Amino acid sequence: ETGVTQTPRHLVMGMTNKKSLKCEQHLGHNAMYWYKQSAKKPLELMFVYSLEERVENNSVPSRFSPECPNSSHLFLHLHTLQPEDSALYLCASSPQWFIGEKLFFGSGTQLSVL
Amino acid sequence: AQTVTQSQPEMSVQEAETVTLSCTYDTSESDYYLFWYKQPPSRQMILVIRQEAYKQQNATENRFSVNFQKAAKSFSLKISDSQLGDAAMYFCAYRSSSGGTASKLTFGTGTRLQVTL
Repeated sequence: ETGVTQTPRHLVMGMTNKKSLKCEQHLGHNAMYWYKQSAKKPLELMFVYSLEERVENNSVPSRFSPECPNSSHLFLHLHTLQPEDSALYLCASSPQWFIGEKLFFGSGTQLSVL
Repeated sequence: AQTVTQSQPEMSVQEAETVTLSCTYDTSESDYYLFWYKQPPSRQMILVIRQEAYKQQNATENRFSVNFQKAAKSFSLKISDSQLGDAAMYFCAYRSSSGGTASKLTFGTGTRLQVTL
């Protein structure tokens, strides 16, 4: 039991589709993160939420839209994606948005954009 | 900007043997944190070991230990008595000790470890 659950596990979508990725954490953490993992590239931080407020947005295109309705749930809304957006999208949480904290990851959503 | 380099895309080790994964980093800071994360086929990344730069003693977690060379900016992971369950991608990561946007983790590109019988 990881404590961080991501759905769906796999997603195939067309460039004109709209879909959402969901992340839920059962650890009572205050900070949640979206990462993008592409083959042979370092993980890229996309967004950080602390106490439901977005605190970091690392130059992510507007076709990715995050939402954090409460401290347990995090969504990534996708629309008009490009094939280069195909990647593994990882959600993570930590007790606080704080230096040196251990991150708890979910198992990711493998996204394929056709 | 900080960078993390893992120069070994793939490594292989026999069961029960010892293997060392390399990691170097570039930073101008004196205080920071270093991590090794493991990503098995299940895709869930798990923290293996953590090192604080101000501590001279190398971190150890059961069969996992690090060789932290601050002057050389090197942070290698040693896995002793390798087991089949150690097969995974291993990521080295750096985190600044200063707050704000520098608080994010910077990851390397990973090393895929195979464990053979």
